[in-house]
Amino acid sequence: AQKVTQAQTEISVVEKEDVTLDCVYETRDTTYYLFWYKQPPSGELVFLIRRNSFDEQNEISGRYSWNFQKSTSSFNFTITASQVVDSAVYFCALSVSTGNQFYFGTGTSLTVIP
Amino acid sequence: NAGVTQTPKFQVLKTGQSMTLQCAQDMNHEYMSWYRQDPGMGLRLIHYSVGAGITDQGEVPNGYNVSRSTTEDFPLRLLSAAPSQTSVYFCASSYAAPGGSYEQYFGPGTRLTVT
Repeated sequence: AQKVTQAQTEISVVEKEDVTLDCVYETRDTTYYLFWYKQPPSGELVFLIRRNSFDEQNEISGRYSWNFQKSTSSFNFTITASQVVDSAVYFCALSVSTGNQFYFGTGTSLTVIP
Repeated sequence: NAGVTQTPKFQVLKTGQSMTLQCAQDMNHEYMSWYRQDPGMGLRLIHYSVGAGITDQGEVPNGYNVSRSTTEDFPLRLLSAAPSQTSVYFCASSYAAPGGSYEQYFGPGTRLTVT
């Protein structure tokens, strides 16, 4: 069975601070894919990144970076120099190669205080 | 392309009423899914379809029906609405991307309240 855990329910930071959102996943499949989505207050789901299980390279995109570690089954997301516009709920998700079903974590609500 | 569209955006139902949430996509994607989002629960899969004429149950299918007569449309039917079905509903479509992953596109959501 697949499972995604986002232990941090809510995080508040002051603008310009760095913040890391944790994601731990469980799967027995050797081929799987990990995702992060952002849900701003307007409610839509915005795709941020996809990672496959064979690529453990960290990725950086502007102020966003992702750290994928198979040894700890984690796929953490860091926002550097946070901004008020980063305030949103962030979801980590997992899909496996045997199907197109996505398994979502419960989300982390991030509030960036000006 | 409009992407994934959902109607209505908001709906209020009384307990026992039935209704259909509409979902359409114009990207010719094979796969479509319905999720519900509840506070503290993330998104949970209700039903999904791997192509026209083929549907299957997800994690929380009870109280919902789906059908897929065309590639474009994937309506979700609430047979007899209950307050427990108060939620935000997201429709998604996806395709098999190169390398084996699925790219999933979400609609804007339907906020349903059952009184």
